[in-house]
Amino acid sequence: DSGVTQTPKHLITATGQRVTLRCSPRSGDLSVYWYQQSLDQGLQFLIQYYNGEERAKGNILERFSAQQFPDLHSELNLSSLELGDSALYFCASSVALHGELFFGEGSRLTVL
Amino acid sequence: QQQVKQSPQSLIVQKGGISIINCAYENTAFDYFPWYQQFPGKGPALLIAIRPDVSEKKEGRFTISFNKSAKQFSLHIMDSQPGDSATYFCATRGGSSNTGKLIFGQGTTLQVKP
Repeated sequence: DSGVTQTPKHLITATGQRVTLRCSPRSGDLSVYWYQQSLDQGLQFLIQYYNGEERAKGNILERFSAQQFPDLHSELNLSSLELGDSALYFCASSVALHGELFFGEGSRLTVL
Repeated sequence: QQQVKQSPQSLIVQKGGISIINCAYENTAFDYFPWYQQFPGKGPALLIAIRPDVSEKKEGRFTISFNKSAKQFSLHIMDSQPGDSATYFCATRGGSSNTGKLIFGQGTTLQVKP
């Protein structure tokens, strides 16, 4: 158990809908990362927050947004969902800006 | 995004054999090179990591070999066991941006046959 908690574990929804994925980092970790894992794209970096502030942005679609709250948990919002958004979404945390990343078990999103 | 190229995509090894996975990177400013192991239904977990000031790091049956001039690094799994069957990802970090994000390779699915 990495100590990173992600909910929900599975989510099935329809095209055009909006979902929110939640991540609780390890106790004491200030940095949160979101990654998307699909079969043909590997692990793609989406976004990083550090102590509530956006720190780095990857190839995150404009339909996607995220935030980190004062209690350090993070949410990834996915809107106007398309079939191609079906993937595993991983959250990771690290104690500092640079540090070992600990991954959660992921949220599997299926868009029908 | 800057890329990390990983090969092979899949690998089948007999129990007791040596598994070798290779990665190549582009940015000479990268300064951290970890390998992550992922089992089905689980998130990736750090297996072993190296920094560019050394050419090799060994932890148990797992060894990273690092070639700075060639911009390549590899994972060697000695005496491979069926329990090592998983997907392995190389990654890099560093460069000009002040962020802890990791850039991952495409992954290698390893199957160790009993």
